[in-house]
Amino acid sequence: NAGVTQTPKFQVLKTGQSMTLQCAQDMNHNSMYWYRQDPGMGLRLIYYSASEGTTDKGEVPNGYNVSRLNKREFSLRLESAAPSQTSVYFCASSQPGLAGVMAKNIQYFGAGTRLSVL
Amino acid sequence: SQQGEEDPQALSIQEGENATMNCSYKTSINNLQWYRQNSGRGLVHLILIRSNEREKHSGRLRVTLDTSKKSSSLLITASRAADTASYFCATAAYPFGNEKLTFGTGTRLTIIP
Repeated sequence: NAGVTQTPKFQVLKTGQSMTLQCAQDMNHNSMYWYRQDPGMGLRLIYYSASEGTTDKGEVPNGYNVSRLNKREFSLRLESAAPSQTSVYFCASSQPGLAGVMAKNIQYFGAGTRLSVL
Repeated sequence: SQQGEEDPQALSIQEGENATMNCSYKTSINNLQWYRQNSGRGLVHLILIRSNEREKHSGRLRVTLDTSKKSSSLLITASRAADTASYFCATAAYPFGNEKLTFGTGTRLTIIP
């Protein structure tokens, strides 16, 4: 199994350019996530999709849009890239199962996309 | 805002020694998880402890949870060079949020051969 696959691995953009980060999972998970990781900040949730057909904002959604194309694929789009969006982006998936204390919401991560905006 | 804060931010120990890192969080939780991140890689799940559990073991890992203090610790015994990585705690908020995790800022662990 490939698990969670992200493309591309590296990208350099100029300010104002647009691009889409792709993510696909082969574990039949309902939930998918996009995070950004900046030095000293840990991971911050950008958007997530609890199930196919639904998306919700996370902690830092401004400047981003997402599409849950089908159960396998969840893409992140930067419409007009800014230097503040220079970061490492991670996609993850999970199958939360039961709610509450019995939830087993372990997340599986892709290898990341390293994005620089000049 | 970050739910979890790890302490220390960085830790260097000799191979064979034990490593302890701590996580504090702010709100009530359903469970707390620890993840490892090797340099340049994605996060990998290590262990999950539920809010009604106080201690859990997995191989050389021991996790404790004190919900009254809103804190957790991760102990790695008999450390190896391959344990060099960043370690993150992540919490699933109570009563909702079984889909979402909030990650801390991480502890960077260096094992000196």
